[in-house]
Amino acid sequence: DVKVTQSSRYLVKRTGEKVFLECVQDMDHENMFWYRQDPGLGLRLIYFSYDVKMKEKGDIPEGYSVSREKKERFSLILESASTNQTSMYLCASSFSGTSGTKQFFGPGTRLTVL
Amino acid sequence: QQQVKQSPQSLIVQKGGISIINCAYENTAFDYFPWYQQFPGKGPALLIAIRPDVSEKKEGRFTISFNKSAKQFSLHIMDSQPGDSATYFCAAINNAGNMLTFGGGTRLMVKP
Repeated sequence: DVKVTQSSRYLVKRTGEKVFLECVQDMDHENMFWYRQDPGLGLRLIYFSYDVKMKEKGDIPEGYSVSREKKERFSLILESASTNQTSMYLCASSFSGTSGTKQFFGPGTRLTVL
Repeated sequence: QQQVKQSPQSLIVQKGGISIINCAYENTAFDYFPWYQQFPGKGPALLIAIRPDVSEKKEGRFTISFNKSAKQFSLHIMDSQPGDSATYFCAAINNAGNMLTFGGGTRLMVKP
């Protein structure tokens, strides 16, 4: 079974703090993604990476950065957390095979910024 | 600009009924259309998916119908059960797997 793990299920931080969200996948997938999920807005893509050290902006990259130093690990960084970044953060990894692209999600990190 | 539009936002169905969720997309570069099921406190889980070369795919009580010319696809849940109560997301992915867009989600409640 593919496993995508996220470092924390719940996190509380203060405005202005630097926040690191870690994601690890164990299936050697090339593509990894970070989303945030907010009520009424669905899932919105923040950043994705299709290879080590490669990254692409998603729909809402402002206020975030990412790091992918190893294939299995994709980190989301909030340089200076703000209250509007309170959200559920979901990491995912995917591979493309003959039957299509399958994407697998981690359990999510619920971040609260006070 | 939402590239995948999903409706309805919420749906209440009686146990044993049919749940229908619709999605429409715009970008013809999409060529894989998965549906995800998400329970509270959990990440989304892949439920069923379809490629545009077929018009229908069925897995158990779950069926995807696909209309390529209209750029629309839908999820049908037959004999809906209270355990199906969850949020459902449609998505569209391009061939390379690096362009993925989700619909806004549908919260389904199946009444016992």
